[in-house]
Amino acid sequence: AQSVSQHNHHVILSEAASLELGCNYSYGGTVNLFWYVQYPGQHLQLLLKYFSGDPLVKGIKGFEAEFIKSKFSFNLRKPSVQWSDTAEYFCAVNDLPGNTGKLIFGQGTTLQVKP
Amino acid sequence: ETGVTQTPRHLVMGMTNKKSLKCEQHLGHNAMYWYKQSAKKPLELMFVYNFKEQTENNSVPSRFSPECPNSSHLFLHLHTLQPEDSALYLCASSLRGAADTEAFFGQGTRLTVV
Repeated sequence: AQSVSQHNHHVILSEAASLELGCNYSYGGTVNLFWYVQYPGQHLQLLLKYFSGDPLVKGIKGFEAEFIKSKFSFNLRKPSVQWSDTAEYFCAVNDLPGNTGKLIFGQGTTLQVKP
Repeated sequence: ETGVTQTPRHLVMGMTNKKSLKCEQHLGHNAMYWYKQSAKKPLELMFVYNFKEQTENNSVPSRFSPECPNSSHLFLHLHTLQPEDSALYLCASSLRGAADTEAFFGQGTRLTVV
């Protein structure tokens, strides 16, 4: 079965520090990849997605992610974090053949940014 | 505002109770989903409905019974639940039930089974 692994469960950074959150998936075929964010008290919302094309994708709020097929990875990055980036971040994947829209999520990474 | 509304936001129920969770979307989407988020576990898909038809049941126990009367509404009927069913239940919708569509999530119903 497909699985998604997020290596960092809890990350604490100071403002202006750079961020990289790891995400690896297990499926060897074609996949679509997503990063979702959940700010405190709010709903899950999409940060960015990769379907095809340029493996470096840019999302909202200065986030970007790079799809490296050979490493089965889709790491999330931001050059300089802000206090408002404090949230929980989820990597998700779905596989293409016959997919119903089902997303498989990683366990999430809690990011705490200190002012 | 997400466009996907879940009610109630919080629910406490006994193991012999019957209750229902409701989800409504105003996005014109045709696919709706139930996910379960338990403590320290990844979000886990429960059911998928595409154009009102159930297209996926992720081996969910029969004490959870979904209903999708139309593309805008999704229910999760609960009966004889166990304490381990306590979790955050998230509803989502997407334009269609396919891989290349973005899912929009509601804020969830926090369920506690006592």
